[in-house]
Amino acid sequence: EVQLVESGGGLVQPGGSLRLSCAASGFTVSSSYMNWVRQAPGKGLEWVSLIYGDGRTYYADSVKGRFTISRDNSKSTMYLQMDGLRPEDTAVYYCAREHTITYGDYGGYWFDPWGQGTLVTVSS
Amino acid sequence: SSELTQDPAVSVALGQTVRITCQGDSFRSYYASWYQQKPGQAPVLVIYGKNNRPSGIPDRFSGSSSGNTASLTITGAQAEDEADYYCNSRDSRGNHVVFGGGTKLTVL
Repeated sequence: EVQLVESGGGLVQPGGSLRLSCAASGFTVSSSYMNWVRQAPGKGLEWVSLIYGDGRTYYADSVKGRFTISRDNSKSTMYLQMDGLRPEDTAVYYCAREHTITYGDYGGYWFDPWGQGTLVTVSS
Repeated sequence: SSELTQDPAVSVALGQTVRITCQGDSFRSYYASWYQQKPGQAPVLVIYGKNNRPSGIPDRFSGSSSGNTASLTITGAQAEDEADYYCNSRDSRGNHVVFGGGTKLTVL
């Protein structure tokens, strides 16, 4: 069964750090597009970061320079190192595998599966 | 701010058809994917690619696209379809992901 399980969330003070983990099973993380997506309380989904199979990484402008995405292929696990945390980073953080397909001049991307999410609260 | 625009809320009578739309320049290059999210749960993929449903998603869900607008149609809405729906694509840069702001669907 293809599955993702996040861990590492919790309460942290502003300016602090936290590392989230996303353990994958049923597929190979090293050759997959893997993402972090967050959802602030009562708000919509917000993309955070992407790591390609070749190791290239991309970040939302709101977290660039503060968050770092990485993975450990031997552990089939992806990480999100979050530094300089702000109250506005408070959210449920989901990891998700991204798929892609090409139809001529058109492309398609989608997320499946998603993990169950882990809550990060930034507060003093 | 999101580069994909959705109506915040839509309602539909039980058994009727509803269309949820998502506007953005992304759809001139990419197909949208759609997710259903119920309170306290992770999002679930319901439509991807040209118009594909994952295993286990009822065939009353379908997707389409025209110009800069992608649509999710539920034909014969059921009470269990009441949820938040999000569209998703890549942005014009191609390596950044965008989500719509979400549409809260109420089944009356």
